[in-house]
Amino acid sequence: SQQGEEDPQALSIQEGENATMNCSYKTSINNLQWYRQNSGRGLVHLILIRSNEREKHSGRLRVTLDTSKKSSSLLITASRAADTASYFCATDGKQTGANNLFFGTGTRLTVIP
Amino acid sequence: EAQVTQNPRYLITVTGKKLTVTCSQNMNHEYMSWYRQDPGLGLRQIYYSMNVEVTDKGDVPEGYKVSRKEKRNFPLILESPSPNQTSLYFCASSLLASGRNEQYFGPGTRLTVT
Repeated sequence: SQQGEEDPQALSIQEGENATMNCSYKTSINNLQWYRQNSGRGLVHLILIRSNEREKHSGRLRVTLDTSKKSSSLLITASRAADTASYFCATDGKQTGANNLFFGTGTRLTVIP
Repeated sequence: EAQVTQNPRYLITVTGKKLTVTCSQNMNHEYMSWYRQDPGLGLRQIYYSMNVEVTDKGDVPEGYKVSRKEKRNFPLILESPSPNQTSLYFCASSLLASGRNEQYFGPGTRLTVT
């Protein structure tokens, strides 16, 4: 399966701390994306990093990609209670085409006020 | 407002009673997809479509049908629902261009089959 795997499965931190989530995948990719899901709601796209990029920033988000290790990390700095959600990485497979995304099972982040 | 809409949002039905979940997007996206989300299993793709009249199976297509007669609509059909299709369903759409293929998700349809 091309499905990504997030680690840890659950993470609980205090407001103001940084949160780091990791994603590992198995096959060559065109790009890797991170999504956020509030409980029972639709996923929301956060950031996309291309396979030739190593790091990308968007506001309090920092994403890194190491294609040699087939892994990515999402860092949320200065977390807020509103960041409480599940976070998913999604990869596309070069073999299957750019648009089909394979999602991991997610990291459940809880930020305690 | 750019969005993906799904209806109904909640549905309780009985085994064998045909149902359709509608999905519509207003962003002129070529690509549309259906996923189901189950605890511990993440999102699994059911069917996808690269354009009008072009559909293909995802990872878990058994028991489902789709059609893409218009670019904006991509309904999911369960001809004879069974309890193992109880799940949270999401429709999503995106552009086809690589590097711009972030997906926009609908709000979800929670289906219970008794």
